[in-house]
Amino acid sequence: EAGVAQSPRYKIIEKRQSVAFWCNPISGHATLYWYQQILGQGPKLLIQFQNNGVVDDSQLPKDRFSAERLKGVDSTLKIQPAKLEDSAVYLCASSPRDRGRGEQYFGPGTRLTVT
Amino acid sequence: AQSVTQPDIHITVSEGASLELRCNYSYGATPYLFWYVQSPGQGLQLLLKYFSGDTLVQGIKGFEAEFKRSQSSFNLRKPSVHWSDAAEYFCAVGPSGGSYIPTFGRGTSLIVHP
Repeated sequence: EAGVAQSPRYKIIEKRQSVAFWCNPISGHATLYWYQQILGQGPKLLIQFQNNGVVDDSQLPKDRFSAERLKGVDSTLKIQPAKLEDSAVYLCASSPRDRGRGEQYFGPGTRLTVT
Repeated sequence: AQSVTQPDIHITVSEGASLELRCNYSYGATPYLFWYVQSPGQGLQLLLKYFSGDTLVQGIKGFEAEFKRSQSSFNLRKPSVHWSDAAEYFCAVGPSGGSYIPTFGRGTSLIVHP
């Protein structure tokens, strides 16, 4: 079974530029998550999708971050414009369960550096 | 609100020695608890989970964890550490209310000396 795929693995941009990350979850997983992991900290949930609908985006900075999951499969997370404090690893995870106690399967992450 | 505390930022052990990583949580009801491991440049991998029942849970790679409600703890243990266990370990708790918003601790970095 193929794992969660993410691209690109690394990205360096200047502040005020835009960037997009892509995630393809494990086949058949209904729930998809985007996390931000700042160096030295645990992952922080940005947004959770159930199929193609948003379950929770309360921690997503909506003035600059956006995410979509068209057709309920792969997903894109965008930052526009980027700030220095957005430098982090962006992790995508998926879960086979609708919500609640399902364990999550994580992709390798995209390391973003904003200069 | 739920929270997770991993009091140790770094833990150093010798290969072959036993290991215990601490995790304390704050949650109003019976929590769902997880331990994840993250190797350098990799995503997180689930080691084990506790939902209910037996408070001693077995995971992959020879890890186990014990849920102690009275101490609000879910410490991770391994009887004999291998050099390949060097990684970042995260404790997580969930859910909260009606939606699943997992909360992760800040992580403990495990260093293994030969």
